[in-house]
Amino acid sequence: QKEVEQNSGPLSVPEGAIASLNCTYSDRGSQSFFWYRQYSGKSPELIMSIYSNGDKEDGRFTAQLNKASQYVSLLIRDSQPSDSATYLCAPGGKLTFGQGTILTVHP
Amino acid sequence: KAGVTQTPRYLIKTRGQQVTLSCSPISGHRSVSWYQQTPGQGLQFLFEYFSETQRNKGNFPGRFSGRQFSNSRSEMNVSTLELGDSALYLCASSLTSGGTIQETQYFGPGTRLLVL
Repeated sequence: QKEVEQNSGPLSVPEGAIASLNCTYSDRGSQSFFWYRQYSGKSPELIMSIYSNGDKEDGRFTAQLNKASQYVSLLIRDSQPSDSATYLCAPGGKLTFGQGTILTVHP
Repeated sequence: KAGVTQTPRYLIKTRGQQVTLSCSPISGHRSVSWYQQTPGQGLQFLFEYFSETQRNKGNFPGRFSGRQFSNSRSEMNVSTLELGDSALYLCASSLTSGGTIQETQYFGPGTRLLVL
């Protein structure tokens, strides 16, 4: 079983919509998660981290962690074409990443 | 503060050759992790060095090796290159160990290796 699995995508949403990216993980002991964004031809960059159950909001981004169900999600509100990228989730301390979900926001 | 730098940015080699990639972490960061990224396999962990010691190792053959110097700069070596080694090699630095649950990793631009 993989440490972390992401919804495979690709995901296509219209501009202004909410994009929902999901990740499930196998280690119940995982205490934190990171979401990275990777533009085509670029390296991953951190956009959100979450350490406790519930929601964490940062601008148009909301990370949600549900430890009981072992999933973490990233919601992007008012999606913009500039949000088009691959999104990677990573459990803290594991040095592993999900396969990534390709998001395309079309005008 | 300067970011993570990697050299070279692009490399073309032939099967059987060896290659050395270099990574300079953010100033003050002591941990360097290496990853291989391919379209089919995603981002896969190779190894992590912290204070010149290999702390963690991924599931790659012994042809892949690395080291870290006292100034935290790190090199990765791949011997006897195979076609399947063609990939983007990324290094990431962090202040302490990348294996710490709260530690953010900062990625370099990567080295794109093509093996012919």
